[in-house]
Amino acid sequence: GAVVSQHPSWVICKSGTSVKIECRSLDFQATTMFWYRQFPKQSLMLMATSNEGSKATYEQGVEKDKFLINHASLTLSTLTVTSAHPEDSSFYICSANDGSSYEQYFGPGTRLTVT
Amino acid sequence: GQNIDQPTEMTATEGAIVQINCTYQTSGFNGLFWYQQHAGEAPTFLSYNVLDGLEEKGRFSSFLSRSKGYSYLLLKELQMKDSASYLCAVRDWEQAGTALIFGKGTTLSVSS
Repeated sequence: GAVVSQHPSWVICKSGTSVKIECRSLDFQATTMFWYRQFPKQSLMLMATSNEGSKATYEQGVEKDKFLINHASLTLSTLTVTSAHPEDSSFYICSANDGSSYEQYFGPGTRLTVT
Repeated sequence: GQNIDQPTEMTATEGAIVQINCTYQTSGFNGLFWYQQHAGEAPTFLSYNVLDGLEEKGRFSSFLSRSKGYSYLLLKELQMKDSASYLCAVRDWEQAGTALIFGKGTTLSVSS
């Protein structure tokens, strides 16, 4: 089956620094990738839709200058949390679609803790 | 926007059957998904409905009524490992393209 990986699986950073999270589709080409954020005991909230070679589409309320998304290839999308603050601490999950089926394949998630 | 409603919590006993309901409002419905999520892990795909009716897959079944904006996930022969959060998600072309919009999830606790 289709596999999506994320790196790192967890990261701790200091307030004011930037953190990059990678999302890779390992055995298929992902025309579209999605970034979600999940706070404790809450559901997944869509942050942005990322299409290869074009600018990401951000959901309302998500700061595009704070959460930089780059989808430079059909197998890699990155999310950079800039000038991180403690309130950015969350579980970040990516998913990918190969464009030919309905299914989205989720990565294992990255837990970010900002101190 | 979308309104996706599902119960917050449910409890059941091993071997029983439980039905988790989900209602939704969308402007460009294009499919409903159910995912299972254990704490600290990513969601795992359970089922997909785009046409009305019942989809059965082993111990899990999912039903959809588009006219009523309603779906349910049916879990049979419950096992302790089924204790998890169950997420209802819809695809709405007009609101979010091919992305999934998730409900708040139903936490199911299975006891012996």
